[in-house]
Amino acid sequence: GAVVSQHPSRVICKSGTSVKIECRSLDFQATTMFWYRQFPKQSLMLMATSNEGSKATYEQGVEKDKFLINHASLTLSTLTVTSAHPEDSSFYICSARDWTDSGNTIYFGEGSWLTVV
Amino acid sequence: EDKVVQSPLSLVVHEGDTVTLNCSYEVTNFRSLLWYKQEKKAPTFLFMLTSSGIEKKSGRLSSILDKKELFSILNITATQTGDSAIYLCAVTQGGSEKLVFGKGTKLTVNP
Repeated sequence: GAVVSQHPSRVICKSGTSVKIECRSLDFQATTMFWYRQFPKQSLMLMATSNEGSKATYEQGVEKDKFLINHASLTLSTLTVTSAHPEDSSFYICSARDWTDSGNTIYFGEGSWLTVV
Repeated sequence: EDKVVQSPLSLVVHEGDTVTLNCSYEVTNFRSLLWYKQEKKAPTFLFMLTSSGIEKKSGRLSSILDKKELFSILNITATQTGDSAIYLCAVTQGGSEKLVFGKGTKLTVNP
């Protein structure tokens, strides 16, 4: 099946710095990708929809200036957590739909654990 | 407000037991329901259901959707310790690729 790859899988950064997380669709093109955040023992919360060639659409309550999303190509979306703080520590996951798949299945990346110290 | 409700929130069984996980939904313009298994990393895809009454099966796992009563079940027969995970149910809506997730069911299978 289709593969969505995320990098890095784990990152530790100092408070106040910025961190970039990449999400790639490896064998299909994705005009839209989604970024989720998951706190321990909680479900996935959609943060934003990343649109290739245009601005991302953010969910209510998500600061767009803090969580910068860039979808520069049909296979790559990036999430940059700017001026990170300890409360930004979380599990970040991206997803994309493979429209060429007969089931139009939505696949997830492996996720990225962010720890801000 | 669109919502997806899973039950139970957690479940502990012994190896060999059969379990049924429930997912009910209230969303506008329903398109599909998906089941995922999440262990320590990102969710892995199990099933996508779009039509009522058609069972999807993969090994010991099966799932079915009832669009009239707005729910789906995920069955796992002859459970194994490797089935221990959080099972997530999500729904998509027409005109959107967003997934609306339930809170998940944490399944623990003891030897």
